[in-house]
Amino acid sequence: AQSVSQHNHHVILSEAASLELGCNYSYGGTVNLFWYVQYPGQHLQLLLKYFSGDPLVKGIKGFEAEFIKSKFSFNLRKPSVQWSDTAEYFCAVMTGANNLFFGTGTRLTVIP
Amino acid sequence: NAGVMQNPRHLVRRRGQEARLRCSPVKGHSHVYWYRQLPEEGLKFMVYLQKENIIDESGMPKERFSAEFPKEGPSILRIQQVVRGDSAAYFCASSGTSGEETQYFGPGTRLLVL
Repeated sequence: AQSVSQHNHHVILSEAASLELGCNYSYGGTVNLFWYVQYPGQHLQLLLKYFSGDPLVKGIKGFEAEFIKSKFSFNLRKPSVQWSDTAEYFCAVMTGANNLFFGTGTRLTVIP
Repeated sequence: NAGVMQNPRHLVRRRGQEARLRCSPVKGHSHVYWYRQLPEEGLKFMVYLQKENIIDESGMPKERFSAEFPKEGPSILRIQQVVRGDSAAYFCASSGTSGEETQYFGPGTRLLVL
């Protein structure tokens, strides 16, 4: 069965620090990969997605993610975080069934 | 994408009552998905519907839960005889008809069962 692992449950950073959130999945076939963000009190918003092509994808607000097929990973990065990046981040994988499998989320707290 | 509308945003029910959650997809989208988020957990897929059809309900509990997406009107997730364990945030997402596979989420309905 497909699964998505986000090993960091809660990350606390100071402003301007660099961010990397891990995401690993287990599925042997073709996948589409997503990162969603949920700001406090708001709904899920798409941050970036990978369907095919360049494995380094750029999203909104300076975020990027790299798909490494051999490692079944799709880690999210940002060179310099801001206080406004405080949110919960969800990695998700879509297989052929059109359903999204979500990780348990990583809560990011950025300290001003 | 703010185009997906869900109501109510908050719903309080007593054990044994029924809960009806509504979802209006992005205009033009005919694929609707329901997810449940339990406290401290990620979203779990429940059901995938297209207009008037249930495509995949593998994530739906076998009893008390049902979903529909009629030809006209919003998609409805119905929970009969609610129990405290049903307390969660229920999210609806939609995607388009052209093969666009990005799902756009609504704000969710937070159900509290007393």
